[in-house]
Amino acid sequence: GAGVSQSPRYKVTKRGQDVALRCDPISGHVSLYWYRQALGQGPEFLTYFNYEAQQDKSGLPNDRFSAERPEGSISTLTIQRTEQRDSAMYRCASSPGDEQFFGPGTRLTVL
Amino acid sequence: GNSVTQMEGPVTLSEEAFLTINCTYTATGYPSLFWYVQYPGEGLQLLLKATKADDKGSNKGFEATYRKETTSFHLEKGSVQVSDSAVYFCALYMNTGFQKLVFGTGTRLLVSP
Repeated sequence: GAGVSQSPRYKVTKRGQDVALRCDPISGHVSLYWYRQALGQGPEFLTYFNYEAQQDKSGLPNDRFSAERPEGSISTLTIQRTEQRDSAMYRCASSPGDEQFFGPGTRLTVL
Repeated sequence: GNSVTQMEGPVTLSEEAFLTINCTYTATGYPSLFWYVQYPGEGLQLLLKATKADDKGSNKGFEATYRKETTSFHLEKGSVQVSDSAVYFCALYMNTGFQKLVFGTGTRLLVSP
């Protein structure tokens, strides 16, 4: 079956622009997670949802970052007024329980 | 807080050598433990997991045993192949409270023929 998909795979933007990153989870998975991974580091938690409810957003670095999952399936991570320090790989994962299945990631570069 | 510490890489081995990548954790409670692998140009894939003390996870010739007494989950393989070259991440997950994966920094494995 289809795995987790993310789009776009690569995004280059200029500082100050807004970006929206999309995650399409595995069908039927209740939980959806967003992580950010800097070069040479492990993924770091940003936020997660059970169904459409955002359960924990403690990892979002500041109020320029937000996420939604309005119908309990597809999720969007939005970064407003991007800054160069936002450049990273953004990974989405979905889960039916404790095992998380990751998408290919979106590589964001802010110039 | 909860954290994972992995040995720094790169780990460089010849084909058919024995592999150990060390991983220790700090957690309040009893986490599930995971090893994820990232092959070049690909996303993270679950390699193996263990959910309670003394459990052994295994897959593709890799093994790791959940050791509560030493808070460790070391990854081992008896005979590595060139195709095992990748970055390996150890991670923990708490089923209550902080329901998220906490990753180590990753260990790059390079296997030469």
